[in-house]
Amino acid sequence: EVQLVESGGGLVQPGRSLKLSCAASGFTFSNYYMAWVRQAPKKGLEWVATISTSGSRTYYPDSVKGRFTISRDNAKSSLYLQMNSLKSEDTATYYCARHSRDWFAYWGQGTLVTVSS
Amino acid sequence: DIVMTQTPSSQAVSAGEKVTMSCKSSQSLLYNENKKNYLAWYQQKPGQSPKLLIYWASTRESGVPDRFIGSGSGTDFTLTISSVQAEDLAVYYCQQYYNFPLTFGSGTKLEIK
Repeated sequence: EVQLVESGGGLVQPGRSLKLSCAASGFTFSNYYMAWVRQAPKKGLEWVATISTSGSRTYYPDSVKGRFTISRDNAKSSLYLQMNSLKSEDTATYYCARHSRDWFAYWGQGTLVTVSS
Repeated sequence: DIVMTQTPSSQAVSAGEKVTMSCKSSQSLLYNENKKNYLAWYQQKPGQSPKLLIYWASTRESGVPDRFIGSGSGTDFTLTISSVQAEDLAVYYCQQYYNFPLTFGSGTKLEIK
């Protein structure tokens, strides 16, 4: 059974940094592109980042490019999201997701990030 | 960026009824080389994470009931639930994967009368 378990969320002040983690199990992690997708409170879904199987290629929307960095450790079956220069508009539940092609086949339960002073 | 527009934003139906919801893209999602439409549908029940329902616009994910039907091509797509059940209460999102940035529609909230 595919499992994705996020951690690392919490309350952080604007301008500060936070690193999210996602522990994957139930599949061969190194064979799949992985992603982060977020959802602001009572809002829709927004894709945040994607990383290739080896980690050599990463993709971001303009809203987070230059501030967020996605990475992975295939030996640990773990995905990460380093978030710098956080803004109030980054407040959201962050989901770890496994790609199949470029859609999202599996999702974690999410971790809430609140950016507020 | 490809903009995804979903209508209606919400609708209420009785159990057993048929419901359709629309998703339109700002440019074609049909890739001519393989004749596939790069569109997926997701269901998000209250308090849960999203779940994949359909990809390639009309291919049902394994385990998804056959009352969920995806159709359409190019820029116009539809998700049909042939006979709504109480458990289908959820928000439904479409997503294009034709190119980056990957984008979602704003969702259609399905309420059960």
